[in-house]
Amino acid sequence: GIQVEQSPPDLILQEGANSTLRCNFSDSVNNLQWFHQNPWGQLINLFYIPSGTKQNGRLSATTVATERYSLLYISSSQTTDSGVYFCAVTPFTGGGNKLTFGTGTQLKVEL
Amino acid sequence: IAGITQAPTSQILAAGRRMTLRCTQDMRHNAMYWYRQDLGLGLRLIHYSNTAGTTGKGEVPDGYSVSRANTDDFPLTLASAVPSQTSVYFCASSVRTRGISGANVLTFGAGSRLTVL
Repeated sequence: GIQVEQSPPDLILQEGANSTLRCNFSDSVNNLQWFHQNPWGQLINLFYIPSGTKQNGRLSATTVATERYSLLYISSSQTTDSGVYFCAVTPFTGGGNKLTFGTGTQLKVEL
Repeated sequence: IAGITQAPTSQILAAGRRMTLRCTQDMRHNAMYWYRQDLGLGLRLIHYSNTAGTTGKGEVPDGYSVSRANTDDFPLTLASAVPSQTSVYFCASSVRTRGISGANVLTFGAGSRLTVL
């Protein structure tokens, strides 16, 4: 099946810093989503971004489908950004509507 | 408030017992999913349903069964629980309507933490 690799696995930032999270995938995809899991376990969809660039406040994401990677940018980080960020994809071939998740990037934002 | 309701929130279960995790959504989404989350492994798909009356196997279906009698409910059953099924279980749903961009965006429930002793 498709492989999804996220980097870095762990990240510690000072409040106000910027960061870039990366998601590499091993096959062409027709669905890519970024999720944030807060420290209480709730999973929230951040972006649906199979290609192109989107922005939502301090967060933005870019997917370069031809090169099989996606980036999540967090600017002016806040303590509420802490948690785990997951990338999830569906391959063009044989994926149906099922998402395969990466193992996540654990982010901690400190004062 | 529209969304997904999972029950129970947390449960400790003896090995060999039968357990059903409940999931109900009120968004009239076509597709529903069950994932398990384990430390270091991310989320793995157990079973899914593209529409009421149909189900399919995900990445880790062994030891689990599901049913989809109607649009709103998608229970997950462990017929005879084993300690390796200790995990956090998430139910999710998506619109899944062809031709609509973002129709497969997932909405998650709050999760059910299951411990099998």
